[in-house]
Amino acid sequence: QQQVKQSPQSLIVQKGGISIINCAYENTAFDYFPWYQQFPGKGPALLIAIRPDVSEKKEGRFTISFNKSAKQFSLHIMDSQPGDSATYFCAATANNLFFGTGTRLTVIP
Amino acid sequence: GAVVSQHPSWVICKSGTSVKIECRSLDFQATTMFWYRQFPKQSLMLMATSNEGSKATYEQGVEKDKFLINHASLTLSTLTVTSAHPEDSSFYICSARARTGSSPLHFGNGTRLTVT
Repeated sequence: QQQVKQSPQSLIVQKGGISIINCAYENTAFDYFPWYQQFPGKGPALLIAIRPDVSEKKEGRFTISFNKSAKQFSLHIMDSQPGDSATYFCAATANNLFFGTGTRLTVIP
Repeated sequence: GAVVSQHPSWVICKSGTSVKIECRSLDFQATTMFWYRQFPKQSLMLMATSNEGSKATYEQGVEKDKFLINHASLTLSTLTVTSAHPEDSSFYICSARARTGSSPLHFGNGTRLTVT
């Protein structure tokens, strides 16, 4: 059973545009929600993370929006750049980390 | 930042042989290490969780006799794929957590295993 549902599966955005990736979960025991960026042939790298007592967290061009009541959270990438092209995974954890299915982002120049 | 080193980055082995993959936390002590498997264009699937000094906890469907995990110290965990077969070919990734509870997981760069 997929603990964390992620959409879309793939996303194409023009350079300078906003990339939005959405995730949803059911397990209310989750208390930490990280986002990972993965380039081909590499391990995931922690991008940004949020705890459920916060509704939004911003780090540079990356923002997480968190809706605890809806059990949804999303990643916004502002001013998307070709170098942002990668696969993005949302995740949720209490002890074990559960990944979403991933979103392949392509930013076209 | 916390660094996790995984070795080798890629390995090719013949069917029936065993392969060992090492995962080291370089600048922190990892109470817990996790092993994931990732097929092309798919998400990471948790295989097992290892705590230093105790037996690993395997996820449902993962053969513990085939995927041997040892977490002998706070900085080293190993995954041994025994009697490898072509269907074991995959990208194996380890991760480590510095303390218990919810805290960032730091990932190694993965090991590409190809079994011929």
